[in-house]
Amino acid sequence: DAGVIQSPRHEVTEMGQEVTLRCKPISGHDYLFWYRQTMMRGLELLIYFNNNVPIDDSGMPEDRFSAKMPNASFSTLKIQPSEPRDSAVYFCASSDSGTGNEKLFFGSGTQLSVL
Amino acid sequence: GEDVEQSLFLSVREGDSSVINCTYTDSSSTYLYWYKQEPGAGLQLLTYIFSNMDMKQDQRLTVLLNKKDKHLSLRIADTQTGDSAIYFCADQRGGADGLTFGKGTHLIIQP
Repeated sequence: DAGVIQSPRHEVTEMGQEVTLRCKPISGHDYLFWYRQTMMRGLELLIYFNNNVPIDDSGMPEDRFSAKMPNASFSTLKIQPSEPRDSAVYFCASSDSGTGNEKLFFGSGTQLSVL
Repeated sequence: GEDVEQSLFLSVREGDSSVINCTYTDSSSTYLYWYKQEPGAGLQLLTYIFSNMDMKQDQRLTVLLNKKDKHLSLRIADTQTGDSAIYFCADQRGGADGLTFGKGTHLIIQP
């Protein structure tokens, strides 16, 4: 398996623009997580899905952030409008609940810079 | 305070052992994990331990868990330059999905 695939690797945009981050989880995994990493706050869980259904979005910072998972192999995280404070690395991770523990497999991340 | 705490930096000499410490607060934690992040990359699972164990060894890695004190450590024997990375401690809480991560410990290797 190719692992968790995220795109783009880097995104530079101007304040006010819409940004869409993409994730393809590992085939067969039923959980998908979106994390944000900054120097100040470390890794923050934004939202996660189980079997394509959003379970907990309490970590989403504002209404400007939204996430979807239209099928088991694809998820998006959208920021509209983007702001400079959204600059961070965004990680997608997936896991298989059938193992009994939450071994998360992470993608390589999207480095977002909002100017 | 934070739910999972780690020191931000650790500096060791090449060839020495590195010991990275972590404390957590949730007594319902079922599994505890160590992840490694190299520059520009995602987090990679190194090892994990079930909460009813007190030690786990995997080649150069030794995990020690003191459940009473809620203290977890990762020992890396014979530290090499390739071990230079950020190491994250994470816990899995009973009845909850996902993991709660510490802020990570930057391991710096001196020649």
